[in-house]
Amino acid sequence: DAKTTQPNSMESNEEEPVHLPCNHSTISGTDYIHWYRQLPSQGPEYVIHGLTSNVNNRMASLAIAEDRKSSTLILHRATLRDAAVYYCILRYSGGSNYKLTFGKGTLLTVNP
Amino acid sequence: NAGVTQTPKFRILKIGQSMTLQCTQDMNHNYMYWYRQDPGMGLKLIYYSVGAGITDKGEVPNGYNVSRSTTEDFPLRLELAAPSQTSVYFCASSYSGSGQGSTEAFFGQGTRLTVV
Repeated sequence: DAKTTQPNSMESNEEEPVHLPCNHSTISGTDYIHWYRQLPSQGPEYVIHGLTSNVNNRMASLAIAEDRKSSTLILHRATLRDAAVYYCILRYSGGSNYKLTFGKGTLLTVNP
Repeated sequence: NAGVTQTPKFRILKIGQSMTLQCTQDMNHNYMYWYRQDPGMGLKLIYYSVGAGITDKGEVPNGYNVSRSTTEDFPLRLELAAPSQTSVYFCASSYSGSGQGSTEAFFGQGTRLTVV
């Protein structure tokens, strides 16, 4: 399985943008890049995903490097509610690899 | 929408006891997963299933068993509880569609299990 590397923790101030990086140098051509987040005492929730092009939704934006070896999750205006662990994972889109595996993620702290 | 429902939310077990953690989803998803999360750690995959009657081991399957007789339900069985199984357990489901890489997974709220 292709691996992802994220910083253990990051800190941001409320209402400022946050850029959460993820490295995935061994990504294959059919791997989708997914981001999930886990709020305290809750199950993970889906944030966004993409394959090659940058993606936007109501929660965040996903910027994918041209060589796809890294990506960045962008929270445009962080709120206190965005304090969570953010996971970057790769989901294989072909064959019989159905696993969905998580790394340790990035703990985002948002300061008032 | 109910989504993924896990029961119970909390449970205390004595060493050697057995129990089943229930997970059901109402989204007609074919993929289902069980994870455990120890304090301050990430999620570890225990077992997963790609459809009724088909299950496979994840990263940490020892001490657990699963079955998948219906699309909706994916129970996790602990036969002889040990203190090392104290953890929070999460169930998840997703749809395969035309390429499972493009579909999102939905998680339950978790079962907090303590073995004493």
